[in-house]
Amino acid sequence: DQQVKQNSPSLSVQEGRISILNCDYTNSMFDYFLWYKKYPAEGPTFLISISSIKDKNEDGRFTVFLNKSAKHLSLHIVPSQPGDSAVYFCAARETPAGNEKLTFGTGTRLTIIP
Amino acid sequence: EPEVTQTPSHQVTQMGQEVILRCVPISNHLYFYWYRQILGQKVEFLVSFYNNEISEKSEIFDDQFSVERPDGSNFTLKIRSTKLEDSAMYFCASSENTHYEQYFGPGTRLTVT
Repeated sequence: DQQVKQNSPSLSVQEGRISILNCDYTNSMFDYFLWYKKYPAEGPTFLISISSIKDKNEDGRFTVFLNKSAKHLSLHIVPSQPGDSAVYFCAARETPAGNEKLTFGTGTRLTIIP
Repeated sequence: EPEVTQTPSHQVTQMGQEVILRCVPISNHLYFYWYRQILGQKVEFLVSFYNNEISEKSEIFDDQFSVERPDGSNFTLKIRSTKLEDSAMYFCASSENTHYEQYFGPGTRLTVT
C-alpha cells in the first residue's frame, strides 16, 4: 500500500547546484505535506511543510512545490551544500483534522558532490 | 532548542521478553506518537496519543503493544512479548497540536534475538 511514493532511491548533485527531490501520492484525502531529512542513526528532522491550499512554500534554501491535480510535490534545495547529504522523506497527513498520523515515502538518498 | 529524547539508544532482548521504550517529548507539546522503521523499509505509524488516551493506532499496534504517559514528562511504548519481526528502529515524536509538524527523537534500535 504505497500511498506516498518517492521513485528515486538516490540522487547525486554537484555542490552549489539545485537539488530537486520528487514525491507522488495517491490518496486525495491528504491535505498537509512535509519533508524530513534523516542522517544515519538519527531521527527524521523536520525541514518544511505545505498545506494543500498553497502551491508553494519557501524557507531559506528550501522550497516545496505542490501540484494537487497531479498529486505531486517536490523539494528544491538551492544552492546544495555538502551538509545536505542525507536521506529525504516525503510525508503526508489526511483530513479530517484529528487524524494525525503521517504516511511516509520510502526516501531518497541525496549525495552532494563537493 | 527543545528536542525529543529517547532511551535507550539500543536495546537487545530475547524473543518473548517484554521491553519498554522511553521517550521525553518536547515540554509544551500535547500530541505524542510512536513510529517504527524496519531496516530497509519506510517509517510506519504505530500510534498517536492525546489527553491520556490513544487517538489513533495502526494495524501493526496489536494487543502486544501499549503506550502510557506515567508522569508529566515521559511517554512509553511497551511490547509485552517481543517477536523477531519487532526488530526495528522505534521513533517517538511529538507535536504542539495536530496542525503542526511532528518532531522526532533519535530513535531506539530494538534487536530481538
